[in-house]
Amino acid sequence: DSGVTQTPKHLITATGQRVTLRCSPRSGDLSVYWYQQSLDQGLQFLIQYYNGEERAKGNILERFSAQQFPDLHSELNLSSLELGDSALYFCASSVSGTAKEEQYFGPGTRLTVT
Amino acid sequence: AQTVTQSQPEMSVQEAETVTLSCTYDTSESNYYLFWYKQPPSRQMILVIRQEAYKQQNATENRFSVNFQKAAKSFSLKISDSQLGDTAMYFCAFMINSGGSNYKLTFGKGTLLTVNP
Repeated sequence: DSGVTQTPKHLITATGQRVTLRCSPRSGDLSVYWYQQSLDQGLQFLIQYYNGEERAKGNILERFSAQQFPDLHSELNLSSLELGDSALYFCASSVSGTAKEEQYFGPGTRLTVT
Repeated sequence: AQTVTQSQPEMSVQEAETVTLSCTYDTSESNYYLFWYKQPPSRQMILVIRQEAYKQQNATENRFSVNFQKAAKSFSLKISDSQLGDTAMYFCAFMINSGGSNYKLTFGKGTLLTVNP
C-alpha cells in the first residue's frame, strides 16, 4: 500500500459524458501527478500540481482538466468522453515534486467509455 | 524531447535464474534520473530501483541491480534469483533534473516478464 488513494476503482460511462476522478496523496506530500495508461499510448504524464498550483503539463487534452484543493487532494475531470479515453488513470504523489524524490503511485482508476 | 525505448516486449525466465531487461534512452540533458518500475497483475506501480545520472556506481536493491552506461545511454535491469512474484510488466522511466519545474516521468512501452516455475 503506497498511501495514495484513488476513487473510484472502476468507472463505466458513455461517450459524451463527464467524469471526475479523485486522488488523495500520501500524508505530507504536497505534489500530485496524473498519468494515463492506455494500450495505444502506454504510460503518459498528464499534469502535475504542487500545493494547489499547476506546475507542469504533459499530453493532457483540452477536454481534461485538473485541480488540487487546499486539503491537497486532487481531481481529474474528463469531459466529452470518447472511446479512446478508456484507460487506467494513475495518481502519484511526492513530498515536494522534485526529481530526486520517489513518486508513490495509487492503485489507479479504470475508466471504460462505451 | 526525451524518449525511452524498451526493445523486448516480452521475456521469460525460469525461477531462480537471472534475467536482464534492456532500456535505452535519448536526451541532450546531462542531469537526470532513471527508474525501473514494476507493474504486477494488480496494476499497482511499484518503484524497483533508481539511478542518478551523475553517480557512476550502479544502483543495487537486493536481487535487483542496474547496468548504467551513460555514454551509450543504456540502463538495463538485472534480476537475480528470479521469483514467481517477479512476474510483472517492467517499465523503464526517465526524469530530467533541470532545476526547473517539469519533473515528469517519461516511460518506455514496457517489458512483460514471466517467471516460470
